[in-house]
Amino acid sequence: GAVVSQHPSRVICKSGTSVKIECRSLDFQATTMFWYRQFPKQSLMLMATSNEGSKATYEQGVEKDKFLINHASLTLSTLTVTSAHPEDSSFYICSAREGVYQPQHFGDGTRLSIL
Amino acid sequence: QKEVEQDPGPLSVPEGAIVSLNCTYSNSAFQYFMWYRQYSRKGPELLMYTYSSGNKEDGRFTAQVDKSSKYISLFIRDSQPSDSATYLCAIDANAGKSTFGDGTTLTVKP
Repeated sequence: GAVVSQHPSRVICKSGTSVKIECRSLDFQATTMFWYRQFPKQSLMLMATSNEGSKATYEQGVEKDKFLINHASLTLSTLTVTSAHPEDSSFYICSAREGVYQPQHFGDGTRLSIL
Repeated sequence: QKEVEQDPGPLSVPEGAIVSLNCTYSNSAFQYFMWYRQYSRKGPELLMYTYSSGNKEDGRFTAQVDKSSKYISLFIRDSQPSDSATYLCAIDANAGKSTFGDGTTLTVKP
C-alpha cells in the first residue's frame, strides 16, 4: 500500500518551456503533498507544502510564480515549472501523506534537464 | 546547528555485516521518527516509522529511538549488496513537515 506515482520520470526541453509534473497517490487519499528538489549527492530540499483545496505554502527563497503548485484533489498535485531555464535543471520529488500523524510516501522523482 | 545531524558516511561494509546508521536531533518536540532508503535516481522509500522510545523490528531492520538522548538509529542485520543505497533519517514534530538528515551512503560489498 501507500503508492505514490510521479510522472514524467524524465524531461528534456528547451529553455523557456513550461513543464508540468504530476504526483498521484494511487491507493490512499493525500491530505497533504510536498514538493522537493534534490541536487546530486545532497539531501532533500523542501520547496512547498500543499493541502487539498488550499494554496500551497512555499519555503523561503522559492519563487511562487516560477513553481506553480496545484492540489486540486485528494489524489493529485501538480508542479509546473514556468519558463524553465538551465538553472532549474534538477531532480524533483513529490511526497504524499494520508493523515496528520502518518509518514510521507515518495514518488520516484522527475529528472528535469533544461537545454 | 542543524536540527537533525546524521552520521555522514560513506559507509562500506562486507556482505553479512551488521550496519548501524545514526542521527541526533536537538528539538525535544520531535515525536515521529522515520528511516528512508533512497536508491540512485529514485525517490526515498519508507523503511521504518515509529513514535515511541525503544526498538521496532521489521525483518532485518531495527529502528531504535532514545528520546532522552535525542538519538535514533537504524540497524541492518545480515547486510546484502542490495542494501547499498543512501539512508535518510526524518523527524517530525507535530504532523507538519519532516526534517531530514543529509543522508548516509552505504555500500555493501559481496
